[in-house]
Amino acid sequence: DAGVIQSPRHEVTEMGQEVTLRCKPISGHNSLFWYRQTMMRGLELLIYFNNNVPIDDSGMPEDRFSAKMPNASFSTLKIQPSEPRDSAVYFCASGRASSYNEQFFGPGTRLTVL
Amino acid sequence: KNQVEQSPQSLIILEGKNCTLQCNYTVSPFSNLRWYKQDTGRGPVSLTIMTFSENTKSNGRYTATLDADTKQSSLHITASQLSDSASYICVVRGNDYKLSFGAGTTVTVRA
Repeated sequence: DAGVIQSPRHEVTEMGQEVTLRCKPISGHNSLFWYRQTMMRGLELLIYFNNNVPIDDSGMPEDRFSAKMPNASFSTLKIQPSEPRDSAVYFCASGRASSYNEQFFGPGTRLTVL
Repeated sequence: KNQVEQSPQSLIILEGKNCTLQCNYTVSPFSNLRWYKQDTGRGPVSLTIMTFSENTKSNGRYTATLDADTKQSSLHITASQLSDSASYICVVRGNDYKLSFGAGTTVTVRA
């Protein structure tokens, strides 16, 4: 089991550029979550997909953020245009919807916007 | 206001010693509570998950306790090792998919 795969692991970009983060969930999982982690705010849920459908995007900061899940094995989180305050570690997590709702986290993408 | 509060914020212990981390929560209704370990530069990894009816659960040298009446949990690390140096995050799930995260306790184990 390869676990949740995220790419890139590190991204450095300039303010105003478009950033695309990628996630491959664990095979067989039907839930996918995007989180953002900062020192100030800890882990925050950005968006939740169930069976490839966005269920809750209330955590998405603003219109500059968008996420897609075109199929069960791939999701993207896009920031356009990026701003320095978007600098954070972005985690993707997947799981099976159940009473436990266990979530398995990927290694994260460290984003730095200059 | 954060619904999951952890203490201490950080601690330093000598290798081989024990330590206990605390978690208080106000999330209601409550479904389950989990402790995650997050190594520097890695994603969180689940250590234990406890439901309302469970009051203790172990995973190797990690033992978690839960008092659902007082809404308190603890994570005890026995005979600490250098590899235990990490951030430990208490996470509580309510009655839906959302998780409430604590700010974490950073543990540093020194030789």
